Amino acid sequence: GAVVSQHPSWVICKSGTSVKIECRSLDFQATTMFWYRQFPKQSLMLMATSNEGSKATYEQGVEKDKFLINHASLTLSTLTVTSAHPEDSSFYICSASPVAGTENTEAFFGQGTRLTVV
Amino acid sequence: QKEVEQNSGPLSVPEGAIASLNCTYSDRGSQSFFWYRQYSGKSPELIMFIYSNGDKEDGRFTAQLNKASQYVSLLIRDSQPSDSATYLCAVLSSYDKVIFGPGTSLSVIP
Repeated sequence: GAVVSQHPSWVICKSGTSVKIECRSLDFQATTMFWYRQFPKQSLMLMATSNEGSKATYEQGVEKDKFLINHASLTLSTLTVTSAHPEDSSFYICSASPVAGTENTEAFFGQGTRLTVV
Repeated sequence: QKEVEQNSGPLSVPEGAIASLNCTYSDRGSQSFFWYRQYSGKSPELIMFIYSNGDKEDGRFTAQLNKASQYVSLLIRDSQPSDSATYLCAVLSSYDKVIFGPGTSLSVIP
């Protein structure tokens, strides 16, 4: 099946610094990628939809100036957590679909990034 | 009303039994439905997807979809301890977003 690679798998950063997470589709082109956040013992919550060549669409309550998304190519989307705070510590997961909007679209997930802000 | 809801857990079944996981969704225009398994600290992995009414079987797993009732379920036959995980129901909504349910924790007791 399709492969989505996410990097890094885990990161620890100091409060106030910024962290960049990469999401790559390795064997297919993805015009749309999704970024999720998962707190312990909770389900995945969609943060934003990343569209290649255009601005990301953020879900209600997600600060677009804090979570910067760049989808510069058909195989790469990045999420930058700016001025990170301890409450941003979470598991961040990206997903991508080979073709958006089709009936049997599968969403393939990256490995996830465990962010800890100290 | 939440967009995707699942039966509350945790669900415990003995080894070899059938585990039944349920999911309802609110967006009547949704077309594709997915079941993911997630082990603690790991990313979700796709078990099955279904988009037509009826049953879809794959090994020990059967997904059932009823669009009129806005209901999708997952049956796991001959449950194994390795099936112990959180199962996430996900729906591709009519506005092209994958929305996840809260998940149901399954524990298979040896």
